[in-house]
Amino acid sequence: DTAVSQTPKYLVTQMGNDKSIKCEQNLGHDTMYWYKQDSKKFLKIMFSYNNKELIINETVPNRFSPKSPDKAHLNLHINSLELGDSAVYFCASSQEGQLRHEQFFGPGTRLTVL
Amino acid sequence: GQQVMQIPQYQHVQEGEDFTTYCNSSTTLSNIQWYKQRPGGHPVFLIQLVKSGEVKKQKRLTFQFGEAKKNSSLHITATQTTDVGTYFCAGPRGNNRLAFGKGNQVVVIP
Repeated sequence: DTAVSQTPKYLVTQMGNDKSIKCEQNLGHDTMYWYKQDSKKFLKIMFSYNNKELIINETVPNRFSPKSPDKAHLNLHINSLELGDSAVYFCASSQEGQLRHEQFFGPGTRLTVL
Repeated sequence: GQQVMQIPQYQHVQEGEDFTTYCNSSTTLSNIQWYKQRPGGHPVFLIQLVKSGEVKKQKRLTFQFGEAKKNSSLHITATQTTDVGTYFCAGPRGNNRLAFGKGNQVVVIP
């Protein structure tokens, strides 16, 4: 059974398009995250939700909009895609905030913007 | 904001040899976590260290948390090809978030 799943795994699209990535966790965790990993492997947090409420919003362009319909799902919608958005996006979840509990990562979505 | 720095950023290790990767923080950490990401994969939690001077072992992996809780290390003995990947340390960074280091990409030479 997959603990944290993401769809799609790969996403190739043209500049200017709008796309969404979906994430679901079946671990019963109450906190979910979106990370962006660039080509140098740097992992940067973008957003975090706790029980459907936004608790972390890093300096991310407002073209990125997360949505959490329930605590098991955290989706990421990106408007007007740019070349620099090309990266691997990871969803993750944890039981509480990050201070004491491990994070479980999804398999990632490799986004390529042409 | 608080950051964790990792050195080295890249390592090439001969199969069978030992290597160490380091993680440093300018401020005291309440805990530190280590993750491993295989090529093409996702980060997977390895361990969390909480106590000053703590040492934990997982088979060939030895994790250490410094006495001042500002640094940590991961030492791997008798490197195998399965040890290839990127090793991240991560520490809590205010506002309920985790700050990941930039990772140590390890290549194993058969």
